[in-house]
Amino acid sequence: DQQVKQNSPSLSVQEGRISILNCDYTNSMFDYFLWYKKYPAEGPTFLISISSIKDKNEDGRFTVFLNKSAKHLSLHIVPSQPGDSAVYFCAALGGGADGLTFGKGTHLIIQP
Amino acid sequence: DSGVTQTPKHLITATGQRVTLRCSPRSGDLSVYWYQQSLDQGLQFLIQYYNGEERAKGNILERFSAQQFPDLHSELNLSSLELGDSALYFCASSVSGQGPPLGNTIYFGEGSWLTVV
Repeated sequence: DQQVKQNSPSLSVQEGRISILNCDYTNSMFDYFLWYKKYPAEGPTFLISISSIKDKNEDGRFTVFLNKSAKHLSLHIVPSQPGDSAVYFCAALGGGADGLTFGKGTHLIIQP
Repeated sequence: DSGVTQTPKHLITATGQRVTLRCSPRSGDLSVYWYQQSLDQGLQFLIQYYNGEERAKGNILERFSAQQFPDLHSELNLSSLELGDSALYFCASSVSGQGPPLGNTIYFGEGSWLTVV
């Protein structure tokens, strides 16, 4: 049973536009959410996180929004750049689970 | 470069065999995590060690075991290998045993790609 779901396996966005990556979760006890970025042949790297008591966290071009009532979070990248092309993983911490619970990832492709 | 080193990078072995994957955490990190990423799954948490002691256990099969040594490097042992064990195995490390939100970001290595034939 996937507790963290990323329903879009891939997303294509034009350079300079906004990229919106979505993530849904089922466990209301998760208390922290993170986004990781992964390039081919590399391990995931931490990008941005948000506590469950907040609804927004911003870091440069990256903003994560959390809608607890909908059990939904999203990562906005503005403006999108070619170097943003990667697989993005949504992850959650807490909820009685040990370790981070990851989604299956979304492959973001930034087109010139 | 995250500072987490994993060896080997690639490994091909036959069913029924046993392999050992090795991980050196970032300098100063006491906690080591192992994750499995198979083709149809996201990253699955396997197990965590903190300063030599098992801290948390996830979806780790009984055929798999891990340990963390006094120098803090860790090994993941996979035995009686099956075709379904083919996956990318990631090691990650963090300063403390609790990871975020205490500011202790978890850093991942590049992974060890295991192919069972």
